[in-house]
Amino acid sequence: GAVVSQHPSRVICKSGTSVKIECRSLDFQATTMFWYRQFPKKSLMLMATSNEGSKATYEQGVEKDKFLINHASLTLSTLTVTSAHPEDSSFYICSASGTSATYEQYFGPGTRLTVT
Amino acid sequence: AQSVTQLGSHVSVSEGALVLLRCNYSSSVPPYLFWYVQYPNQGLQLLLKYTTGATLVKGINGFEAEFKKSETSFHLTKPSAHMSDAAEYFCAVSERETSGSRLTFGEGTQLTVNP
Repeated sequence: GAVVSQHPSRVICKSGTSVKIECRSLDFQATTMFWYRQFPKKSLMLMATSNEGSKATYEQGVEKDKFLINHASLTLSTLTVTSAHPEDSSFYICSASGTSATYEQYFGPGTRLTVT
Repeated sequence: AQSVTQLGSHVSVSEGALVLLRCNYSSSVPPYLFWYVQYPNQGLQLLLKYTTGATLVKGINGFEAEFKKSETSFHLTKPSAHMSDAAEYFCAVSERETSGSRLTFGEGTQLTVNP
């Protein structure tokens, strides 16, 4: 089956610094990648949708200057949390969708970000 | 616009008992429907999906779900719960004709399995 990886699996950073999270589709070409944020005991909140080679589409209320998304290739998307603050601490999950007729999304294992 | 409602944020069953997790959806076009499972500190794993065709869908780990258009439901069932089924379950819908692969998730149901 389709495999999506995320790196790192967990990261701790200091307030004011930036952190980059990578999302890779390992065995298929991901034309679309999605970034979600999940708060404890809550559902997934879609942050943005990115298509390879074009700018990401952000959901309402998500600051695009704070959460920079790059989808430079069909197998890699990155989320950079700039000038991180403790309230950015969360579980970030990416997913990837290829050219399947069912438009199925394949999810990465998630990245736990803690900002101190 | 699409939406998903999962009735019951917590469901508790005894080991060996029937598991029933409820999901109702709203969609303006024929939907694709999904059930995902999430274990602590992990991503989502697809249990099963309905796209077209047979309305009773069988998935992994003995789970199945039935698409009922008249009831706008896609409830998840398993005849006999196992301790390893304890996890968070999410129902999701996509409107492929209008939004491609964009998913809308329900709030999730935490399943507890008691020995």
